[in-house]
Amino acid sequence: QVQLVESGGGVVQPGGSLRLSCAASGFTFSSYGMHWVRQAPGKGLEWVAFIQYDGNKKYYADSLKGRFTISRDNSRNTLYLQMNSLRAEDTAVYYCAKVNIVAAPDYWGQGTLVTVSS
Amino acid sequence: EIVLTQSPGTLSLSPGERATLSCRASQSVSSSYLAWYQQKPGQAPRLLIYGATSRATGIPDRFSGSGSGTDFTLTISRLEPEDFAVYYCQQYGSSPYSFGQGTKLEIK
Repeated sequence: QVQLVESGGGVVQPGGSLRLSCAASGFTFSSYGMHWVRQAPGKGLEWVAFIQYDGNKKYYADSLKGRFTISRDNSRNTLYLQMNSLRAEDTAVYYCAKVNIVAAPDYWGQGTLVTVSS
Repeated sequence: EIVLTQSPGTLSLSPGERATLSCRASQSVSSSYLAWYQQKPGQAPRLLIYGATSRATGIPDRFSGSGSGTDFTLTISRLEPEDFAVYYCQQYGSSPYSFGQGTKLEIK
């Protein structure tokens, strides 16, 4: 069965960096695009970034461009999100999600909490 | 950027009733790349509907999606106790892949 397990969250000071990972299993990781989506405490879902199955195309939320970088290692079945220059407003649960064959995000991990605080 | 507006913000209904949730887009959603998700407290979102009308694997047939272009609807034909949750729409046709702000479905 499809499993997505996020890790790497924690408490970081404003201006700091963090790299999130999403370990995938139960499907052919190298065949599917992947998303990162976040959710601030008590708030709605916010799309963060998408990467094509082969890593050749990447898209980002306009508000995050230049600070966040999505990447993947298909040999390790792992998705990454490098987050730099973190701000208090980046505090959220970060989810990874795979897409299905018609591009809809169908399976989601349980999320990892990132807290930006001094 | 496509902005999705969901209405109502909160919907109060009783088990057994019919729920109708709306998602309106600021511009046409390409190829009906519109999804609906259900989220319960402390859980990840669950895909219910994709392509505006197709039910995801394992989703009961009381959930149905309709619409195209800029107007989309999620209908729950007869509410079960486990259906009370927050529902989000998302367009995944063009980046940025925006979400609506959510509709909270609560027990009346």
